[in-house]
Order: sequence, then C-alpha cells, then structure tokens
Amino acid sequence: ILNVEQSPQSLHVQEGDSTNFTCSFPSSNFYALHWYRWETAKSPEALFVMTLNGDEKKKGRISATLNTKEGYSYLYIKGSQPEDSATYLCASNFGNEKLTFGTGTRLTIIP
Amino acid sequence: KAGVTQTPRYLIKTRGQQVTLSCSPISGHRSVSWYQQTPGQGLQFLFEYFSETQRNKGNFPGRFSGRQFSNSRSEMNVSTLELGDSALYLCASSLRSSGSGWNEQFFGPGTRLTVL
Repeated sequence: ILNVEQSPQSLHVQEGDSTNFTCSFPSSNFYALHWYRWETAKSPEALFVMTLNGDEKKKGRISATLNTKEGYSYLYIKGSQPEDSATYLCASNFGNEKLTFGTGTRLTIIP
Repeated sequence: KAGVTQTPRYLIKTRGQQVTLSCSPISGHRSVSWYQQTPGQGLQFLFEYFSETQRNKGNFPGRFSGRQFSNSRSEMNVSTLELGDSALYLCASSLRSSGSGWNEQFFGPGTRLTVL
C-alpha cells in the first residue's frame, strides 16, 4: 500500500502570517506530485503539479517545493489571507498510475 | 468552457437500495476518475475510465461499478447500499489517461450520498 501523508492535520494561522505544511510520499517509483486546494462547498482546484527533484512552483503568495529523493513536498503560503482558508490536498502518481491522495491539511486563517 | 458537472448533488437512500451517480466531464476530456471521501479519510480512488474502458480500479467491493459512454460521460453505480457507503463522491476529468503522463485532474462538485 502506497501512503501519502500530510501534516499537520489542521492549522490555525493569524492573518498576515506565513505558514507551511508537508506532504510525505514513498520515494520509490515516484512519478508526479500534485497539490490541490479545496474550499468548503467547492470542488478541489489544482494548484501545482511537480515532477522533478528540486522543482519549485509559485502562484501568487503560494509556492511549493519537491524533494523526490527523500519523499517530501512543502507548500508555503506567504502573508495568509482569509481567502486562503481551505483544505490543502497533496496526491502522488506512483509508476505513472492513479493518484493517491493524502488526508489533507485544513487551514483556517484567523482575521 | 463548462466545468465538470455531477448529478444529483444530494441523494438519500436506504440500506439495500442501489444508486446511480452521473458525471459529465469537461468537453474534450476523455478520462473520468471517481473518488469517495468519508470523514477522516483522504480521497479514495474508485476507478478510472478512458475511452469507454475501465483503465484502473481501486480497492472497493464489486458492489461499486461504473461505465463510460461514447460522449465520455460516466456513471457510477452502487448496489446493495450499506451505511458505510455514505460519503461524498467526486468525479474528475482529464485530457489524458493516468498512464500517458502526469495527469492534471479537474474535479466536479461531488454528490453527497446519505444511506439511512
């Protein structure tokens, strides 16, 4: 069984602060790592897809890094805003097959 | 471009009944994947269809089945419903199948199934 793990499970951050959270995955047979943002009552929305060791992606105040050798990815949010409140999911393709999702990090921004 | 649509959005059934959920992918997308989400669990993969063929299957009992039509629309069927089948069922569409490259998926809003 290939497990994708995310930590922490939930997080409360003061508006304006920066934060980060982790996705861990088995490094063998790695193919791609995906980050999604899932706001309440909406559909999960793709943020990043990363495939290469050392990849860094950025979208506005959100960025992500990838370490395939040790099997982890970090998602960073700079200057958190209330609209950043959501569950952040990571998922990995192993051996070019189906996506395996973690259980998510639930982020709440405190105004 | 219209997004992924799922019908119905909410459904209440009783144990033993069967249910069919529908998913219409983004126009031009040929791959449809189905996921189940229950409290405390990540999205659990059910199956993927590509060009009317089941390409991948997750670890769910045979009561869970699906199909895809020539217009790429997909249906998921659950027979002999159990209380534990209460969940949010999401479908996602993509241009390519999971076996042909990294695969950005676009999710629908989900169907919330409650089994009483």
